[in-house]
Amino acid sequence: DTAVSQTPKYLVTQMGNDKSIKCEQNLGHDTMYWYKQDSKKFLKIMFSYNNKELIINETVPNRFSPKSPDKAHLNLHINSLELGDSAVYFCASSPGPSLGEQYFGPGTRLTVT
Amino acid sequence: GENVEQHPSTLSVQEGDSAVIKCTYSDSASNYFPWYKQELGKRPQLIIDIRSNVGEKKDQRIAVTLNKTAKHFSLHITETQPEDSAVYFCAAKGRGGGADGLTFGKGTHLIIQP
Repeated sequence: DTAVSQTPKYLVTQMGNDKSIKCEQNLGHDTMYWYKQDSKKFLKIMFSYNNKELIINETVPNRFSPKSPDKAHLNLHINSLELGDSAVYFCASSPGPSLGEQYFGPGTRLTVT
Repeated sequence: GENVEQHPSTLSVQEGDSAVIKCTYSDSASNYFPWYKQELGKRPQLIIDIRSNVGEKKDQRIAVTLNKTAKHFSLHITETQPEDSAVYFCAAKGRGGGADGLTFGKGTHLIIQP
């Protein structure tokens, strides 16, 4: 009965590959997010998605694209992976865009070799 | 956009003593300020939060204070215990439409010395 889940937990891949990370929440929340945590533990928002409205952090390369098949899922697709993409990626959800409480998934540790 | 500064980056206290972590934010429109605790290899977990219409909030051994005029907020942990050792993040969320996320501070590594 995990509230926010992600798969896979670990992902090791080579430069240039394309990969996806899946996220699901069973909290009935309207808004979902993707965050990147780098090697220095800095957490940075990448995307937020609410009612088919996607808001992108302008610093995120367009190789990253979120896709939401329904309100409970927000998957992250990454094309042409680079070494600098290695990080832990966290999915999160909140009841609504102006309701602050965000709950995080367990994270996916992506290693690009 | 919002910018959140957090200090100190590392804090070591004796078990039983109090710990204080401070954050400042830049956007006066921000109205929600959560604190997250992250243990090694785990997800960030919400431990307490405060909204801009409140000056202080307490939950057992942890409390958060907010000074809107000065644009800073602080986390206070009393009677620290070994299980309090973790990285703590403050964050701020602005008001307005759209689904913008939280802007996080860079984290404080809290070490509880036995």
